[in-house]
Amino acid sequence: EAGVAQSPRYKIIEKRQSVAFWCNPISGHATLYWYQQILGQGPKLLIQFQNNGVVDDSQLPKDRFSAERLKGVDSTLKIQPAKLEDSAVYLCASSLSPGAFPNEQFFGPGTRLTVL
Amino acid sequence: GQQLNQSPQSMFIQEGEDVSMNCTSSSIFNTWLWYKQDPGEGPVLLIALYKAGELTSNGRLTAQFGITRKDSFLNISASIPSDVGIYFCAGHGGTSYGKLTFGQGTILTVHP
Repeated sequence: EAGVAQSPRYKIIEKRQSVAFWCNPISGHATLYWYQQILGQGPKLLIQFQNNGVVDDSQLPKDRFSAERLKGVDSTLKIQPAKLEDSAVYLCASSLSPGAFPNEQFFGPGTRLTVL
Repeated sequence: GQQLNQSPQSMFIQEGEDVSMNCTSSSIFNTWLWYKQDPGEGPVLLIALYKAGELTSNGRLTAQFGITRKDSFLNISASIPSDVGIYFCAGHGGTSYGKLTFGQGTILTVHP
C-alpha cells in the first residue's frame, strides 16, 4: 500500500514570495491533515479536512495561509506572502476518518521550507 | 489548549541499554500514540493505545496508557543503533475531531 506522498521535498524562497505544497493521502483515507513542524518541536496542526470539507482550521494563519482539497483526495497548502518565521517542515497526514477505529494518522515525508 | 510535556528532552545511551520516556498532560486523552521520526522524514507510528491501563508491545517497544488517562510511557529494551531518532508522544482528546496534540519530542542517541 502506497503511503502519503508530498512534493516538493525541499523549497527555498525569499520572504514575501509565494509557495505551494502538494499532498496525496493514502487511498481511501477520508481525513487529511496539514501540520507545521518547527525545528526542535513537535508537529502543530494547521488544518484538517474531512473529505473536501474543513473540520478544524483554528491554528491556520488565514491572512497568509490557505489550503484546499477540492475533490476530497489531493490537497494543496499555500503560503502567500511567506515570512521568515514560516521556515519549517510541512507535514501532511491522513487517516481513515476521526470516527473510525483505530484512528491512526499516517504521515508523509514532509516538505522542508526555508524562507530567506 | 491541551499541552503535552514529554521527558526527557534528550538521551545518550550505550547500545544494549534500556530506554524509558514519558508524556504527561494537563488534560485527559482517549488515545495515546507514539511516533518515531528519522532525520528528513515524517513521523512513523510505533504504538497506539486506546484504553486506560493498556499495555502494548511492538517488538522491543512497550508502551502504556496511564490509569489517569493523563500520561503514557514508552520503553525500548536492548537498544540498537537504528533506534536513534526523535520520539514523539501524541494524544487525542476525543472532544477535538481527530486532532492530535504532540509532545516536544525526545532525542535518542545510541552509542555503539
